[in-house]
Amino acid sequence: GQNIDQPTEMTATEGAIVQINCTYQTSGFNGLFWYQQHAGEAPTFLSYNVLDGLEEKGRFSSFLSRSKGYSYLLLKELQMKDSASYLCAVPGAGSYQLTFGKGTKLSVIP
Amino acid sequence: GAGVSQSPSNKVTEKGKDVELRCDPISGHTALYWYRQSLGQGLEFLIYFQGNSAPDKSGLPSDRFSAERTGGSVSTLTIQRTQQEDSAVYLCASSLAVAHTDTQYFGPGTRLTVL
Repeated sequence: GQNIDQPTEMTATEGAIVQINCTYQTSGFNGLFWYQQHAGEAPTFLSYNVLDGLEEKGRFSSFLSRSKGYSYLLLKELQMKDSASYLCAVPGAGSYQLTFGKGTKLSVIP
Repeated sequence: GAGVSQSPSNKVTEKGKDVELRCDPISGHTALYWYRQSLGQGLEFLIYFQGNSAPDKSGLPSDRFSAERTGGSVSTLTIQRTQQEDSAVYLCASSLAVAHTDTQYFGPGTRLTVL
């Protein structure tokens, strides 16, 4: 089976940096996705990691350690519009559907 | 280009009624997925379609749930004899192909409320 854990909620200040962690357990690893979901809207793709290390994409970066079953999403120069839920997800070992964590609700405050 | 679209955006129904939810994937995407998102829960996989292959129905919670995909494009998720626990947001996603690396693009969802 697969299991994904993320913190339920986080709060950070506008302009700051925040790190959202995700730990996973999976019988076979085929990469890890991060999605952003604003309230009442569809999840939108942020990043995909399959190799260890940090991948940077503008203000957002994603890190993966396969040996530790661990990933994080790093958001820099936080803006109010970054207030959303951030979803960590992994594909199945022998299948293609995604198993999602429950998401981390990030609140950015002035 | 157009993204994944779903209809209706909201559906309120009475317990015991049947409902149909529709998904139009991104043009050219051969893979289509249905998920549902209940309050306080993560997205839960229901079913996926890939081209003309038999769908993977392993996530359907009961035989009241079924889905079809006509002509490799539009999909309909049907819930028969709805129950209150079926209340959730039903999300559809599509991807270019079925591969672990292919990004799934989500539609806005249908919010189903069963009274």
